[in-house]
Amino acid sequence: GESVGLHLPTLSVQEGDNSIINCAYSNSASDYFIWYKQESGKGPQFIIDIRSNMDKRQGQRVTVLLNKTVKHLSLQIAATQPGDSAVYFCAEDMEYGNKLVFGAGTILRVKS
Amino acid sequence: NAGVMQNPRHLVRRRGQEARLRCSPMKGHSHVYWYRQLPEEGLKFMVYLQKENIIDESGMPKERFSAEFPKEGPSILRIQQVVRGDSAAYFCASSPFGNQPQHFGDGTRLSIL
Repeated sequence: GESVGLHLPTLSVQEGDNSIINCAYSNSASDYFIWYKQESGKGPQFIIDIRSNMDKRQGQRVTVLLNKTVKHLSLQIAATQPGDSAVYFCAEDMEYGNKLVFGAGTILRVKS
Repeated sequence: NAGVMQNPRHLVRRRGQEARLRCSPMKGHSHVYWYRQLPEEGLKFMVYLQKENIIDESGMPKERFSAEFPKEGPSILRIQQVVRGDSAAYFCASSPFGNQPQHFGDGTRLSIL
C-alpha cells in the first residue's frame, strides 16, 4: 500500500552541526507534506510544510526540500541545538486535507 | 493563545469499561482529526470530523469505537468495552480547513489494566 517511510531511525549530531533527516514517500499524487517534531510526552509540533508545486521552503533554521522525481523529502536543521533533540516525523497529506500518513519517525540526538 | 486541549492526559481503565477522550480544537478551527500512536511508532489516522459531521472514519475500528463533534462542546472519542490492545496514546489535531497544517494536542495516554 501507499506509505511514507524514513531511511534512518536514529541520527546523532554534534551541537552546532547541521542535521539532515530524510523521508521517502510512495504516493505520487500527494500534494502536501509536513514535518513534525515530537518531544517525550507531548504531541507532534508543526515545524514546516511544503506543497508539491515547490521544491524548497525555508523557515527559521529549518529547510525542507522536496524531490518529486525520486519521491524524497528532507528536513535540514542548521546549527543544531540540544533543544532540537526529539523524534521527527514526516507526514503526507494523501486526500487533500482529510488525513495525514505519518512515517515511523527519526530520533535526533544532539551531543553537547 | 490556547492550543488544542485534550483531557484527561492520562486515563486508566479496566478491561470491559468505557473510555471517553475529549478534545477542544484551537479557536476558529472547525476540523478535528483523531490519531492513535503505539510506542515507538508513527501516528495512525482514525477519524476526521467537522461540526456535527463525520467526514472520514476509514481508520477507525468498526466495533467499539465511535467519535463525535457536536455543535457545542468538545469532540469526543469513545471506546466501549476496552481491551488491552487499546492501550496507546490518542492524539487530536485541528485545522481551520482542509489541506492546512494540523495542530496537535498533547494527547491522552490510555492504559488498560
